[in-house]
Amino acid sequence: GAVVSQHPSWVICKSGTSVKIECRSLDFQATTMFWYRQFPKQSLMLMATSNEGSKATYEQGVEKDKFLINHASLTLSTLTVTSAHPEDSSFYICSAREPGDAYEQYFGPGTRLTVT
Amino acid sequence: GNSVTQMEGPVTLSEEAFLTINCTYTATGYPSLFWYVQYPGEGLQLLLKATKADDKGSNKGFEATYRKETTSFHLEKGSVQVSDSAVYFCALSKTQAGTALIFGKGTTLSVSS
Repeated sequence: GAVVSQHPSWVICKSGTSVKIECRSLDFQATTMFWYRQFPKQSLMLMATSNEGSKATYEQGVEKDKFLINHASLTLSTLTVTSAHPEDSSFYICSAREPGDAYEQYFGPGTRLTVT
Repeated sequence: GNSVTQMEGPVTLSEEAFLTINCTYTATGYPSLFWYVQYPGEGLQLLLKATKADDKGSNKGFEATYRKETTSFHLEKGSVQVSDSAVYFCALSKTQAGTALIFGKGTTLSVSS
């Protein structure tokens, strides 16, 4: 099946710094990618939808100036957490959809972010 | 708005027991419904899906039927194995292309031998 990777798998950063998370579709082109956030023992919450070559669409309550999303190519989307704070510590997961497939998404393994 | 409610866990079963994880949804229109599974240390994987009412999704011995009248999509398996231990998420998506998923909170299943 289609494979989505994320890098890094875990990262620790200091409060006030920025950190970038990459999401790559390894064997298919993804016109649409999604970014989710998962809190411990809770569901995945959609943060934004990323379409190649256009601005991301953010969900209500998600600060777009804090969580910068770039989808510069058909195989790569990045999420940059700017001026990170301890409350941004979470598990971030991306998924990707193939063109023409209205149903299935392929998920990355996630990135654990810890802000100290 | 759209939402998914699934039974809270953890669910603890012995090997070969029957499994049911309840899932109900609220949505406008005609959503597609999914079950995803997350094994320890791995990303979410699609387990099965149903795209219209009365459809039955099935995979690896798991089944779920899209019941529009009861807005439900319960996951069942006749005989669970230790390897089925994981977190199971019910989700819905509008049929329009590009629409993301709305997830339930997840149910942890633990199967012992």
